[in-house]
Amino acid sequence: AQSVTQLDSQVPVFEEAPVELRCNYSSSVSVYLFWYVQYPNQGLQLLLKYLSGSTLVESINGFEAEFNKSQTSFHLRKPSVHISDTAEYFCAVSVTQGGSEKLVFGKGTKLTVNP
Amino acid sequence: NAGVMQNPRHLVRRRGQEARLRCSPMKGHSHVYWYRQLPEEGLKFMVYLQKENIIDESGMPKERFSAEFPKEGPSILRIQQVVRGDSAAYFCASSPWLSTGELFFGEGSRLTVL
Repeated sequence: AQSVTQLDSQVPVFEEAPVELRCNYSSSVSVYLFWYVQYPNQGLQLLLKYLSGSTLVESINGFEAEFNKSQTSFHLRKPSVHISDTAEYFCAVSVTQGGSEKLVFGKGTKLTVNP
Repeated sequence: NAGVMQNPRHLVRRRGQEARLRCSPMKGHSHVYWYRQLPEEGLKFMVYLQKENIIDESGMPKERFSAEFPKEGPSILRIQQVVRGDSAAYFCASSPWLSTGELFFGEGSRLTVL
């Protein structure tokens, strides 16, 4: 079964420092990969996605993620974080099985940006 | 274009009561998903519905939980005879189709069972 592992449950960093949130997936077939962000008491919002083509994908607010097939990873990075990036980040893989298609999520990584 | 609307945002029930959570998908979306979020556990898939059809309920507990998405009106997740372990945030998401895999989430319904 396809699954997602987020290796860090919490990541504290200082403002303007770089950050990497790690995500590994298990899948024997082609995958669609996603990063979602959840701010306190809100739903999830799509941050970026990999469907095909370039292995490096970017969001509008400076995050990027690279699909690495050989390492089955899709790590999220930002070169310089802001206080407003404090949130929980979820990696997800699209799973197609028996006529159903759904997203399977990792357990999430809480990013805390300190001044 | 309104987003995915969930209500109530907060619901308190005593053990043994019923909880009904409603979800109106985005306009034009015919696919609805329900996820449950528990602290430190991320989001767990519960059920995937299209209008009048349950496509995948592999994540639904076998008893007390049911879901529907009628031809008219919102999708409803129903939990009968709630227990304390049902306390969680329940998120609904919708999609027009899933060729790209993107889901649009509501803000969730937080159920507390006393």
